[in-house]
Amino acid sequence: QKEVEQNSGPLSVPEGAIASLNCTYSDRGSQSFFWYRQYSGKSPELIMFIYSNGDKEDGRFTAQLNKASQYVSLLIRDSQPSDSATYLCAVDPPGGYQKVTFGTGTKLQVIP
Amino acid sequence: GAVVSQHPSWVICKSGTSVKIECRSLDFQATTMFWYRQFPKQSLMLMATSNEGSKATYEQGVEKDKFLINHASLTLSTLTVTSAHPEDSSFYICSARALAGGPRTDTQYFGPGTRLTVL
Repeated sequence: QKEVEQNSGPLSVPEGAIASLNCTYSDRGSQSFFWYRQYSGKSPELIMFIYSNGDKEDGRFTAQLNKASQYVSLLIRDSQPSDSATYLCAVDPPGGYQKVTFGTGTKLQVIP
Repeated sequence: GAVVSQHPSWVICKSGTSVKIECRSLDFQATTMFWYRQFPKQSLMLMATSNEGSKATYEQGVEKDKFLINHASLTLSTLTVTSAHPEDSSFYICSARALAGGPRTDTQYFGPGTRLTVL
């Protein structure tokens, strides 16, 4: 079992719709969870982090965490073509401050 | 703004030559730096982890004599690709993180990457 699993996609959504990206992780002791966005040919950039169960909103982005189900998700409201990218889920191991474990990413395509 | 820089952003070299890539943390002390490689349409692949003042820890399958990593200060790490060959052509990305107690401890921050082409 991979430590962090994501559906590779591509996930295609029409412009203006909600894009839902999902991630599961295997280490129940993990404490911190991150979403990175990577445009083609560019390096990853941090867009959201979440530490506590529940939802965390930042503009059009909402991260959701359910530690009991070991599940993290990212919702993008009012999706724009500029949101088309690969989204990487990342998890801090127990204790934190170490190497973050990345999923392989979900490619999102927003269709105008 | 950017918190991690890389230089050069792209480099073209002849087969057999060595190439050095620099990674700098701009506003924090990066006690740990990571080097990744990414081939087109593939996932990030961690090559090695380095802690300031210590030898780097290489991932399985990564040749430590070919990919030399030096993390001599808390703001600078270098990756040298020795005797580069066309199969080493890739996108090399560094990432940095600080230990607890200061800024940038929450996660890894990435540099913009270096695109290496070996002819």
